[in-house]
Amino acid sequence: DAGITQSPRHKVTETGTPVTLRCHQTENHRYMYWYRQDPGHGLRLIHYSYGVKDTDKGEVSDGYSVSRSKTEDFLLTLESATSSQTSVYFCATRLEPNDNEQFFGPGTRLTVL
Amino acid sequence: DAKTTQPTSMDCAEGRAANLPCNHSTISGNEYVYWYRQIHSQGPQYIIHGLKNNETNEMASLIITEDRKSSTLILPHATLRDTAVYYCIVRVPTRNTDKLIFGTGTRLQVFP
Repeated sequence: DAGITQSPRHKVTETGTPVTLRCHQTENHRYMYWYRQDPGHGLRLIHYSYGVKDTDKGEVSDGYSVSRSKTEDFLLTLESATSSQTSVYFCATRLEPNDNEQFFGPGTRLTVL
Repeated sequence: DAKTTQPTSMDCAEGRAANLPCNHSTISGNEYVYWYRQIHSQGPQYIIHGLKNNETNEMASLIITEDRKSSTLILPHATLRDTAVYYCIVRVPTRNTDKLIFGTGTRLQVFP
């Protein structure tokens, strides 16, 4: 499972507050991804990283920013949370770009009131 | 937009083969078909993938039609632990990495 942990696992916050979710991996995988999962939409890619300090946008990046200052950590920030960002957030990693498998973390359930 | 369509739900008797269909009629020549599953809202788990040829591993078989517009995931002897949501996914190459484009998945219920 690539030793992926996500923190926090559950969070309730209020509209307008900043929120940061953390993804930590222990396998030295180069590529890391943030997805959100909502009913009726499967998983959708928010942002991804292809190396330290190298990131790019996914399908649903509006309202989110990311940072990767070291290989093992990939942070997802909601600068000003909105109710539409209530979701389950999954982090994933991959060793190399063409590796067959992305490994997923356990998820973070975020509720924005 | 999702590049795959799947039935919303399916049932299967324990011990029987579960055949999960997927349509991907707009798939491009260099895009792989992947299958993942998600149990009890855990993180998705990789099952199998293929490009043109049929594939088999210890978990499942993947049958891809010759025109590549559809595929079928086969769990040869379903068990109760195979109850999960199964996602048919297209892997799309991009500038810096490949992206997985998830569909909405099929909820498979295996019953005794």
